[in-house]
Amino acid sequence: EDQVTQSPEALRLQEGESSSLNCSYTVSGLRGLFWYRQDPGKGPEFLFTLYSAGEEKEKERLKATLTKKESFLHITAPKPEDSATYLCAVQRSNDYKLSFGAGTTVTVRA
Amino acid sequence: DAGVIQSPRHEVTEMGQEVTLRCKPISGHDYLFWYRQTMMRGLELLIYFNNNVPIDDSGMPEDRFSAKMPNASFSTLKIQPSEPRDSAVYFCASSPQGSYGYTFGSGTRLTVV
Repeated sequence: EDQVTQSPEALRLQEGESSSLNCSYTVSGLRGLFWYRQDPGKGPEFLFTLYSAGEEKEKERLKATLTKKESFLHITAPKPEDSATYLCAVQRSNDYKLSFGAGTTVTVRA
Repeated sequence: DAGVIQSPRHEVTEMGQEVTLRCKPISGHDYLFWYRQTMMRGLELLIYFNNNVPIDDSGMPEDRFSAKMPNASFSTLKIQPSEPRDSAVYFCASSPQGSYGYTFGSGTRLTVV
């Protein structure tokens, strides 16, 4: 069975204090690893898909990287509006469902 | 596009009652997914459809749950009879192709008392 483990569970940052979130995974035949952002009371919002080890993608202050066993979401010089729960998910090559991790809740203080 | 539309946003019902959740996917999206989110278990897939056909319903907890997709623009998730342990946020999501990132709706918060 697919396993997705995110760490830490919660992260409190000062505005401008860069940090990284980890997503380690075990899946039989990875098609893609997905990152989502979820704000309170809302549905998850798609950020990135990574398909192969070594791939990197960026969006504003966020950068996602992928290895064969884990993915990192780097937040550079965060702002309070980056406060959210960040979810990662894996998709198998023979299926289209996403298996999600429990998420990392990021709080950025001004 | 208005995105994925779910209704109702909130539902409070008594144990034993039937509950129907509704979803309108984004036009042109061939895949539709139903997820449930709780603090204890996170996001769990219940069922997904491709071109209105159920593909994987292994996540449906028991026979009390059923889902239908009568056409490309509408899906329902029904719980009958409802139980307090069904209390959760239920999300619908759609995707143009299965391998693309999903677009989620805003969810239905279900409380069974």
